[in-house]
Amino acid sequence: AQSVTQLGSHVSVSEGALVLLRCNYSSSVPPYLFWYVQYPNQGLQLLLKYTTGATLVKGINGFEAEFKKSETSFHLTKPSAHMSDAAEYFCAVSDRGRTGGFKTIFGAGTRLFVKA
Amino acid sequence: GAGVSQSPRYKVAKRGQDVALRCDPISGHVSLFWYQQALGQGPEFLTYFQNEAQLDKSGLPSDRFFAERPEGSVSTLKIQRTQQEDSAVYLCASSLSGDNSPLHFGNGTRLTVT
Repeated sequence: AQSVTQLGSHVSVSEGALVLLRCNYSSSVPPYLFWYVQYPNQGLQLLLKYTTGATLVKGINGFEAEFKKSETSFHLTKPSAHMSDAAEYFCAVSDRGRTGGFKTIFGAGTRLFVKA
Repeated sequence: GAGVSQSPRYKVAKRGQDVALRCDPISGHVSLFWYQQALGQGPEFLTYFQNEAQLDKSGLPSDRFFAERPEGSVSTLKIQRTQQEDSAVYLCASSLSGDNSPLHFGNGTRLTVT
């Protein structure tokens, strides 16, 4: 069965500092991996995704994530945080379930705070 | 419309009442998902459809929860005899195909059971 673990429910960084949000997953088959972002009072939106091919994936707003199969990780990074990055970030894994189709499971989320 | 639409945006129900939550997915999207999001938590999977077929309902918390998508587009999540623990935001998402397409989320329905 799939599962997603996000290390740290809250992360606080200074503006301009590196952002690192951690995600580990488990899946019985090759997974598809996603990061979603939820800004205050808004719905979840896709930040980036890994399906196949290049393991370093670039997303919107300068974020990127690297798929490391040996570590079952898909950590999200951004070189320089901006105040507008303050939001809740969710890691998600999707793979084909026994009943067919793809089922997406989410982690508990990490809230990012950016200090001026 | 351009995005996933959910209604109502807010719902207050007295304990024991039945509620129905509606989701209009993006036109042409094959897959539709329902999630429950408690305060400060990630979305918890409830059920999903591929067209009109409900492929997985393993996340529905009890037999009081029921979802349908009879014509493969609009979906309704029904909760019978609501309890206080049902209070949460219910999110609907759709995706273009039944593979690894990303999910497009609605803004959710916030259900409060008093």
